Amino acid sequence: EADIYQTPRYLVIGTGKKITLECSQTMGHDKMYWYQQDPGMELHLIHYSYGVNSTEKGDLSSESTVSRIRTEHFPLTLESARPSHTSQYLCASSEANRYGYTFGSGTRLTVV
Amino acid sequence: GQQVMQIPQYQHVQEGEDFTTYCNSSTTLSNIQWYKQRPGGHPVFLIQLVKSGEVKKQKRLTFQFGEAKKNSSLHITATQTTDVGTYFCADDTGRRALTFGSGTRLQVQP
Repeated sequence: EADIYQTPRYLVIGTGKKITLECSQTMGHDKMYWYQQDPGMELHLIHYSYGVNSTEKGDLSSESTVSRIRTEHFPLTLESARPSHTSQYLCASSEANRYGYTFGSGTRLTVV
Repeated sequence: GQQVMQIPQYQHVQEGEDFTTYCNSSTTLSNIQWYKQRPGGHPVFLIQLVKSGEVKKQKRLTFQFGEAKKNSSLHITATQTTDVGTYFCADDTGRRALTFGSGTRLQVQP
C-alpha cells in the first residue's frame, strides 16, 4: 500500500544535539514538504521540494536543513536542537495539488 | 505575508447540532483545500475548491467557495462524535506550498 512514513514517532533529546528526522514515501510523488505544528495549532512550512536536488526554504527554515537525493526520501536535520524546537514535525507529499497532500504520522520531538 | 484566518477558533456542540467554520483571507485565494485532523493524528485531505462560488458536498459536509474567492466555509449537518477534530483550510497559490489557516477545533458532546 502506498504511504508516507516518518521515523522516529517520538524522540526526546538533549539541547545541542544534532538530529535527523526521516521521511519516506512510496507513491512516487515529486513534491514533498515539512511542516511544524504545535498541538492544536496551525501548520508552519519549514522546507519543501519539487523533485530530486530541488529544495526550497519555508517560513521556519533558518535552523534546519533538508536534502532530496532520492525521490522517495526527504530527511530534515536540526543542527543543534534547542527547547524551542519542541513540537510535532509533519512530512507530506503530493502528486499534484488538486489531489491534496498526504501526511505522515509525524515525529513528536521534545528537547530537554 | 499572506494570512488565512479561520473562525471560530473553537466550537463545542451537542451531537446532532450543525457546525460551520469560516476561512477568510485579505487577499484573493487561489484554490482552497480543506483538511481534518483528529486529536493526536495528522491532517487528512477532504476536498479542493477551485471555482468562484463553487459548492461541493460529501455526505453531511458542505464546502463552499465565496464569489470573490476571499472566503470559504465548511458546514457539517447533524454532527456526530466522529466529527471531532480540527478542521483546517489551506490556500494553494500554486507557487510554493500550501498556506494553512489557523484551524477550528470542534468538540462534539454525545
